[in-house]
Amino acid sequence: SQTIHQWPATLVQPVGSPLSLECTVEGTSNPNLYWYRQAAGRGLQLLFYSVGIGQISSEVPQNLSASRPQDRQFILSSKKLLLSDSGFYLCAWSEGAGNTEAFFGQGTRLTVV
Amino acid sequence: AQTVTQSQPEMSVQEAETVTLSCTYDTSENNYYLFWYKQPPSRQMILVIRQEAYKQQNATENRFSVNFQKAAKSFSLKISDSQLGDTAMYFCASTPSGYALNFGKGTSLLVTP
Repeated sequence: SQTIHQWPATLVQPVGSPLSLECTVEGTSNPNLYWYRQAAGRGLQLLFYSVGIGQISSEVPQNLSASRPQDRQFILSSKKLLLSDSGFYLCAWSEGAGNTEAFFGQGTRLTVV
Repeated sequence: AQTVTQSQPEMSVQEAETVTLSCTYDTSENNYYLFWYKQPPSRQMILVIRQEAYKQQNATENRFSVNFQKAAKSFSLKISDSQLGDTAMYFCASTPSGYALNFGKGTSLLVTP
């Protein structure tokens, strides 16, 4: 069966520090991968998605970047965090062209102080 | 841009009663999928039900069913025999692009004893 792992679960970082959130998927090949952000009291905002190694599409211009160094690994990064980067970050995967449901990781609560 | 609208920020229902959550969406695609996700206090996103747009029959999963009105672009979720464990945020989502889900802002459902 397929599983998705996302870590860390909680992170407190000072303004201006770097960020690296990691997500890995097991039990499937060539998944579509996604990073979403959920601000307090709001829905999920798509940040990045990837349909293959090295292929990243950005939905929203921002202080963040994403990379996919391996087929089932998706990393969310920042060189210098801003206060506005605080939020709940969710990694997800889906099969094929994406016309199927997405499966989510446990999420990372990021607080920038 | 594709949009998903949930017009009820908060709802409550008594245990064992039935509640309906509303969702409307905007798409120019002929083939797309619609979903309802549940996010309990643990913040894990859980798929509740899915509907393929080309299927006229409304999807059903145990106590959960949808009322899919394609012409009206409406996709409501009915929860029958509500249980305390149904307390959660509920998100409506669509995949018009074929790659990523677009989410509504969510409806917070409280089930009371």
